Amino acid sequence: QLQLQESGPGLVKPSETLSLTCTVSGGSISSSSYYWGWIRQPPGKGLEWIGSIYYSGSTYYNPSLKSRVTISVDTSKNQFSLKLSSVTAADTAVYYCARHRDGMDVWGQGTTVTVSS
Amino acid sequence: EIVMTQSPATLSVSPGERATLSCRASQSVSSNLAWYQQKPGQAPRLLIYGASTRATGIPARFSGSGSGTEFTLTISSLQSEDFAVYYCQQYNNWPLFGQGTKVEIK
Repeated sequence: QLQLQESGPGLVKPSETLSLTCTVSGGSISSSSYYWGWIRQPPGKGLEWIGSIYYSGSTYYNPSLKSRVTISVDTSKNQFSLKLSSVTAADTAVYYCARHRDGMDVWGQGTTVTVSS
Repeated sequence: EIVMTQSPATLSVSPGERATLSCRASQSVSSNLAWYQQKPGQAPRLLIYGASTRATGIPARFSGSGSGTEFTLTISSLQSEDFAVYYCQQYNNWPLFGQGTKVEIK
């Protein structure tokens, strides 16, 4: 059974870079035709897609975040990662990783990231 | 830029009743539309993809319909575990979620 697990610091200072990793277990991140994505949810609000990566390394990002986002993949570790630069309090959220093709069918449990000094 | 609008924001329904949730896209997304259920403190769960195909393990009381710009999620007979927030999401281009509909107990 495929499982995803997010990891990374729970507290990031304003203007710094948020870094998270999603570890895939029970299957290969190199599975063809799937994208691996990051989604976030600010407290009490809805879902916002951040960006996604294919196992080959091709990426696409939410236009509203594109200038600050980098997503990369490490197939040898079965992981993909998110970097979000120049964070502010507005980036405080639960961050999820998910697999998607036609809809996002497998999700991590989410990790809370707070931006505060 | 596509905008996804869900209505109503909150739906009050009695257990056993039917719930009908709407999702509208500002431009056609074909049938590239998914529905999710999210309970407090949990990750979203995929219910429907391709506008009308139930995901693996989803009960038959959940059904989706529509194409183009108008979509509907119907829960035929609400069970206690169905009270949650529901999101639609288009994937015709980059993934975009609606703002959600909360289904609460009447």
